[in-house]
Amino acid sequence: EAEVAQSPRYKITEKSQAVAFWCDPISGHATLYWYRQILGQGPELLVQFQDESVVDDSQLPKDRFSAERLKGVDSTLKIQPAELGDSAMYLCASSLDGGDYGYTFGSGTRLTVV
Amino acid sequence: DAKTTQPTSMDCAEGRAANLPCNHSTISGNEYVYWYRQIHSQGPQYIIHGLKNNETNEMASLIITEDRKSSTLILPHATLRDTAVYYCIVIYFGNEKLTFGTGTRLTIIP
Repeated sequence: EAEVAQSPRYKITEKSQAVAFWCDPISGHATLYWYRQILGQGPELLVQFQDESVVDDSQLPKDRFSAERLKGVDSTLKIQPAELGDSAMYLCASSLDGGDYGYTFGSGTRLTVV
Repeated sequence: DAKTTQPTSMDCAEGRAANLPCNHSTISGNEYVYWYRQIHSQGPQYIIHGLKNNETNEMASLIITEDRKSSTLILPHATLRDTAVYYCIVIYFGNEKLTFGTGTRLTIIP
């Protein structure tokens, strides 16, 4: 079964450092999403891509977060500088046709900022 | 998108049917009910979705009331691997944006 690949699986970084997460969606999936999940809460959408274009980044803290999907395939989410409150699970998901028949999520990157 | 209300937690004995309720009293006519689950330390997994008719797949059944104000996800023979947080989400077909609440933490008891 096709999967959404994410790396790293775990990341520990110091406050004020830069950190980056990578996502490779299922082949052929045009839509890619980044979600953040704080412990004990449901995932929250940060940014949505359609191919290489950002469709929605209204919830992305743009002063420190950036996301790109240069060739419309894999994507990178960056935080610079990291803050203690950024400790969370960062999930990537992709869908074929807008999610009508379900999104596929990766296993996520668990970020701990110390 | 319509707001949903789910119990915070539920227990179910292994081998029994797990019935997870969801209230969505403000759902509109063209909004669908989607269910996802999230096993510990994994990403959410799509289970099933429906509009107004009952739906069944290899994972679960979805029962939507006639007035569409509530629904129930049924796992017919729960196993320990079904222990997870279950999210009920109401969105427009093709909306493309899932908004998660806090879900129901289902624990399957041996």
